[in-house]
Amino acid sequence: DTAVSQTPKYLVTQMGNDKSIKCEQNLGHDTMYWYKQDSKKFLKIMFSYNNKELIINETVPNRFSPKSPDKAHLNLHINSLELGDSAVYFCASNLFGETQYFGPGTRLLVL
Amino acid sequence: GESVGLHLPTLSVQEGDNSIINCAYSNSASDYFIWYKQESGKGPQFIIDIRSNMDKRQGQRVTVLLNKTVKHLSLQIAATQPGDSAVYFCAEIRGGGSQGNLIFGKGTKLSVKP
Repeated sequence: DTAVSQTPKYLVTQMGNDKSIKCEQNLGHDTMYWYKQDSKKFLKIMFSYNNKELIINETVPNRFSPKSPDKAHLNLHINSLELGDSAVYFCASNLFGETQYFGPGTRLLVL
Repeated sequence: GESVGLHLPTLSVQEGDNSIINCAYSNSASDYFIWYKQESGKGPQFIIDIRSNMDKRQGQRVTVLLNKTVKHLSLQIAATQPGDSAVYFCAEIRGGGSQGNLIFGKGTKLSVKP
């Protein structure tokens, strides 16, 4: 069983559409993250939330908006999708200051 | 640019041999380092970590070595098995112990030949 889960696993959509990716963790962690992995496998942090508050916001277009309804959930909404948004998006969580655990990833393809 | 990088993008080893994956970092303020393993189609999985007050840490079949003088990190896998085939990432956290941003290196693909 995956302690950090993401839905959907695959997402294929047209340019210009708006889509959301959901993340849930059942580990009791207080911090959650979104990472983007490009086609060259490079992983880069996008956002981090601690106790539902934004603590890290890297240089990400404002078309990306994270939302944390509670400590166990961190969703990522993307407006006006572009070709360059195609990537694998990983959610992760931890207790603040401890090892991060990653979800299985959401493979986004923008056509 | 990124300060965490890997010397070898790909590594091919024979089953049963030992593997060594290297990583260089440039920020002397980094004080916490982690190795992750990513299998095809899966998320990164924690392998082992080390803090800057240590130079060696051992796990099950894995050893991480940290050389702060030359800002070098390595992951040694003993008796490499086909299940070890994956992409391995080193990652660093700068300052504040194990808090803060996790900065990933570019990754090394390990292929194990039977």
